[in-house]
Amino acid sequence: GAGVSQSPSNKVTEKGKDVELRCDPISGHTALYWYRQSLGQGLEFLIYFQGNSAPDKSGLPSDRFSAERTGGSVSTLTIQRTQQEDSAVYLCASSRDGAGEQFFGPGTRLTVL
Amino acid sequence: AQSVTQPDIHITVSEGASLELRCNYSYGATPYLFWYVQSPGQGLQLLLKYFSGDTLVQGIKGFEAEFKRSQSSFNLRKPSVHWSDAAEYFCAVVSGNTGKLIFGQGTTLQVKP
Repeated sequence: GAGVSQSPSNKVTEKGKDVELRCDPISGHTALYWYRQSLGQGLEFLIYFQGNSAPDKSGLPSDRFSAERTGGSVSTLTIQRTQQEDSAVYLCASSRDGAGEQFFGPGTRLTVL
Repeated sequence: AQSVTQPDIHITVSEGASLELRCNYSYGATPYLFWYVQSPGQGLQLLLKYFSGDTLVQGIKGFEAEFKRSQSSFNLRKPSVHWSDAAEYFCAVVSGNTGKLIFGQGTTLQVKP
């Protein structure tokens, strides 16, 4: 079946602009995660959604970052007023129930000029 | 707080030689541990996982890992490396009850012909 998909694959933006990154999880997976991969910080957890429960936002680095998950499926990560330090690869993952294997998407490479 | 340490940032081995990538974790209870591989420009692919039971776990592509509680380690091994194994390898531990992953810094494997 289809894996986790993310769009766009690459995004170049100017400092101060807002960006939206999209994640389509595997159908039927109730848990969805966002991670960020950058040279300086490695792989970091950002946010977690599980069903209708309140999301775990403990990894979001600032209030410029937000995410939503509509209908328990597609998720959008929004970064407002982008800064150069936001440049990274943003990875999305889903799992069947939040307790097992996470399947990762190919990522969105964000470059902030 | 949970943490994962991969002491080796970069390892070079000859094709056909054996491989061991080190991973140490810090976690209060029985950890759920994973090894992921990332090829250039690709997402993360799960190699193997440890939840409980047999401390020697087998994964895909001929990899195995051994959980040693006394050493807080979960080292990844392969008896004979192939050129296609060149990639970055990440060890990870599940943090809390949300399933979010805490990753090590990663080890880049280079394979010499």
